Amino acid sequence: DTAVSQTPKYLVTQMGNDKSIKCEQNLGHDTMYWYKQDSKKFLKIMFSYNNKELIINETVPNRFSPKSPDKAHLNLHINSLELGDSAVYFCASSPQLANTQYFGPGTRLTVL
Amino acid sequence: QKEVEQNSGPLSVPEGAIASLNCTYSDRGSQSFFWYRQYSGKSPELIMFIYSNGDKEDGRFTAQLNKASQYVSLLIRDSQPSDSATYLCAVNGAGNQFYFGTGTSLTVIP
Repeated sequence: DTAVSQTPKYLVTQMGNDKSIKCEQNLGHDTMYWYKQDSKKFLKIMFSYNNKELIINETVPNRFSPKSPDKAHLNLHINSLELGDSAVYFCASSPQLANTQYFGPGTRLTVL
Repeated sequence: QKEVEQNSGPLSVPEGAIASLNCTYSDRGSQSFFWYRQYSGKSPELIMFIYSNGDKEDGRFTAQLNKASQYVSLLIRDSQPSDSATYLCAVNGAGNQFYFGTGTSLTVIP
């Protein structure tokens, strides 16, 4: 069984659309994260959730909103997509905040 | 100043040599240090973590930490072509925030 899974793997959409990326972990971890990796491979944290509470919210546009229905899921919703949102988005989880993180396979988002 | 800095490379070493990857960090309060490997088109995977000053060995990999110099390194002995990847240094900084470096691209030449 995949420890951290994301869907979809690829997402191609037009500017201005709204889209969601789903993430699930079956490791029983308390903390989940969303990262954005740009074309230069820089991995930047966007959000983390610990026991369903937002712990870190970096300077991310409010078009991005994390939603956690339960401890095992952290979905990422993006409104009014822009060209600059094109990147690979990784979900990750860890037993506790700032512990070793386990990454999902990534979602490659392309905004046309 | 970036929280975590790495030489972007590319770093090329011949097969069988020792590859040395370096990382510096800015937050003196950092407690945990991690090395991740990322193959092209794949997600980062943990290689090693280190909390205490000194060396930590795991197979062909050795992590070295010097908190006084705010420096952490990864040595890969007997480098193999399969080690060719981008290596990401990550640090647990102030407020339990997690910072990644920009990564060092390593190529092992057969």
